[in-house]
Amino acid sequence: TAGITQAPTSQILAAGRSMTLRCTQDMRHNAMYWYRQDLGLGLRLIHYSNTAGTTGKGEVPDGYSVSRANTDDFPLTLASAVPSQTSVYFCASSETGLADTQYFGPGTRLTVL
Amino acid sequence: GQNIDQPTEMTATEGAIVQINCTYQTSGFNGLFWYQQHAGEAPTFLSYNVLDGLEEKGRFSSFLSRSKGYSYLLLKELQMKDSASYLCAVSDSNYQLIWGAGTKLIIKP
Repeated sequence: TAGITQAPTSQILAAGRSMTLRCTQDMRHNAMYWYRQDLGLGLRLIHYSNTAGTTGKGEVPDGYSVSRANTDDFPLTLASAVPSQTSVYFCASSETGLADTQYFGPGTRLTVL
Repeated sequence: GQNIDQPTEMTATEGAIVQINCTYQTSGFNGLFWYQQHAGEAPTFLSYNVLDGLEEKGRFSSFLSRSKGYSYLLLKELQMKDSASYLCAVSDSNYQLIWGAGTKLIIKP
């Protein structure tokens, strides 16, 4: 099985443009997460979803939105990108929204100029 | 606030043993995870501790003391492929993972 896939692998985006990062999992996990990883900082949670149809805000949600229309997909949208959103973005999933092992996608490297 | 502390970088020799420490202060505790992350790749799960004590899994062991807010990851018989960052993360009262910045482990031959 593929596990979790993310697209694109990398992207350079002009400030002010919008972009959607895609994430799909085939493990039928209920919970999904979006993190950003910046040098010298731990992974920071942007948004999460404990089950299809529900979403919640993490530590750094401003400037980002998510939707969870079905179990498999969890897209992350930047409505109007700013340079501070330059980062590596990881999508992850776990069986439940409790203290389960999280499985990560390969990441999307985003540069906002 | 919530805080996870671990050393930024450690160096060890191939074949040796290394211990990576993690201390935490979080609102609630639902377990502590260790992940491995090779450069340019995604984190992958290594271990989970929710009760005090040592969990052994092959060359890797993880220890937890909840009263001290402390954990360590012990890597034995180090191999060059163990060169990676090791991330400590705590599941808080809301079951959200709070992550440390990671410890970059450099293995020298």
